[in-house]
Amino acid sequence: EAQVTQNPRYLITVTGKKLTVTCSQNMNHEYMSWYRQDPGLGLRQIYYSMNVEVTDKGDVPEGYKVSRKEKRNFPLILESPSPNQTSLYFCASRGQSGRSSYEQYFGPGTRLTVT
Amino acid sequence: DAKTTQPPSMDCAEGRAANLPCNHSTISGNEYVYWYRQIHSQGPQYIIHGLKNNETNEMASLIITEDRKSSTLILPHATLRDTAVYYCIVATGGTSYGKLTFGQGTILTVHP
Repeated sequence: EAQVTQNPRYLITVTGKKLTVTCSQNMNHEYMSWYRQDPGLGLRQIYYSMNVEVTDKGDVPEGYKVSRKEKRNFPLILESPSPNQTSLYFCASRGQSGRSSYEQYFGPGTRLTVT
Repeated sequence: DAKTTQPPSMDCAEGRAANLPCNHSTISGNEYVYWYRQIHSQGPQYIIHGLKNNETNEMASLIITEDRKSSTLILPHATLRDTAVYYCIVATGGTSYGKLTFGQGTILTVHP
């Protein structure tokens, strides 16, 4: 089954404690991205990657890092989380050609709370 | 990317067609209309997309006006499981399409 998986699904942490949210897709997609969703602000893109070792900032990259060492994985790293990063996070992927270039697949979401 | 305007909420009776409008008056010639939906707090789900012709798939139909300044997503026989937030998004397609700019969408509530 084609899917994007994220782990963990829920996380409560404290300010300053480094954390990583993993994202993996099994569709051999080139493009992957991270979004955060906050009430009243909709989904906003954090970072994206066009392929292995190619990443770029989205609209709200401050406080986040990403890496793309393998095509299937695109982890989101919070080096020093702060309460304003409390949010619902989604990873997404899509292909570069044909039908898969139009349909973006989203993961189930990670609900992060930073106290 | 062009902005879109959608009504904040709509109601529909179960079994009836749900027609969700979207205005995108500043759409460019190379921009597609995409529809996604989000059920509760799950990840958004792709529904359909189109450039200028009407499109239909197993989930819905998309009607785009001739001037491309507006479109309508049609769920032909709405069910309770179709209750969700529906997002109309305008973006370029193919290899240049990446970021989806989600607005506030339309909250569709399907009633028994």
